[in-house]
Order: sequence, then C-alpha cells, then structure tokens
Amino acid sequence: SQQGEEDPQALSIQEGENATMNCSYKTSINNLQWYRQNSGRGLVHLILIRSNEREKHSGRLRVTLDTSKKSSSLLITASRAADTASYFCATDPQQGQNFVFGPGTRLSVLP
Amino acid sequence: AAGVIQSPRHLIKEKRETATLKCYPIPRHDTVYWYQQGPGQDPQFLISFYEKMQSDKGSIPDRFSAQQFSDYHSELNMSSLELGDSALYFCASSPSWNSPLHFGNGTRLTVT
Repeated sequence: SQQGEEDPQALSIQEGENATMNCSYKTSINNLQWYRQNSGRGLVHLILIRSNEREKHSGRLRVTLDTSKKSSSLLITASRAADTASYFCATDPQQGQNFVFGPGTRLSVLP
Repeated sequence: AAGVIQSPRHLIKEKRETATLKCYPIPRHDTVYWYQQGPGQDPQFLISFYEKMQSDKGSIPDRFSAQQFSDYHSELNMSSLELGDSALYFCASSPSWNSPLHFGNGTRLTVT
C-alpha cells in the first residue's frame, strides 16, 4: 500500500499567494522529507523533519509533522513562478532501508 | 560540488532487449538507491545498496538486477525488456542512512 499520499494532486495559484500541500502516510517513520521535481529532472531535497519534531522552517518553506495523524504539510509562502514543479513527500519506514514517495502535488504558480 | 551522475541520459531499446544503466554516486556517499518513475507517477523504489551490499529491495522485477562495484558505482541491468519498462530511472545516493537523498538527472528508457 502507498506509504505517502499527497493532497491535492494539482494546485494552481497566483504569484505571491501561499501554497499548502499535504502528505499522509501509514506506518511509523524515522523522518519525513520533502522533495521538488522539475519536469523530467531529478528530485531535489528541500527539507527533512524528524519524527520527534513538529515544525521546521527553511526560507519560504514551512513543514509540519503530526505523527498522531500520520500527516505532514508543506507550506510555501509568497510563491513565485519559479516554484512551479511537482512536490513529493518521502518517508522511511522504520523497517527497511529505502524511502517511499507519495504521488506528488503538481504546483503551478501563475505570474 | 560533485553530483550523482547517471548514464546514459536517454536509451531506446526494443522489446526483449537488454539495457544497462549506470550510476556514479557522490564521493564518500555509502548508500545508493534506484527508483523507477513512470509518466505522471511517483518514484517507485527498486533496490538499495549500503557499502556495496544490497540493503533493501522494493518492487523490482526478477528481470532486473543491480550491483554496486568496488569503486561504489552501481549498475542496473534490465533484461527481456517490456513496453511497460519505459520510464525514468533515477539513482540517488546519501552520505548515511536517514540523510537526504541526492538524485541524478535520471536515464529515460524508452522500449519500443
């Protein structure tokens, strides 16, 4: 079954607006990571939040983690056209040495 | 800074042929992962290696095999190719378990 699932699957906003993407997962994790992918390119790591953390910031990014609900959110503030990309969350199940990616949210930021 | 290098960038094969994809991780990264990403899909974990030993296996078909060599580069071998194998194949490396993954730009495999 899918470990990480993203919501919404597609999001279209205007430049300057905030974008919120959510991710849910099913099993216990050590940490959760968010990645960004431009079309046809490799994924780029954005931020990592550990299971004992509740919130983390990096520039215009804010990530929250609720382990009781097995969910995380990624907030991008003051969005720019260059933020247009797909965003994935990835979780590491406590058993196994791999990262499981959710289906991703395709974000379009319109100028 | 050095990044993960994958080759080739594009590969076109016919059904039932064999393909070999190569990955050169970032120096001093001890873990390598392979992922498959179909069009509009999320990356699916195939296999990982830690210090040249297979550490975990995901949804990798029996027709695929992979190994990591003494110089830490890794190869994904795919035999009896099927149309459904057409996808982007990514390699990623990390300096340690639970660290962020550094992805290459992928190999786009097209099976005709």
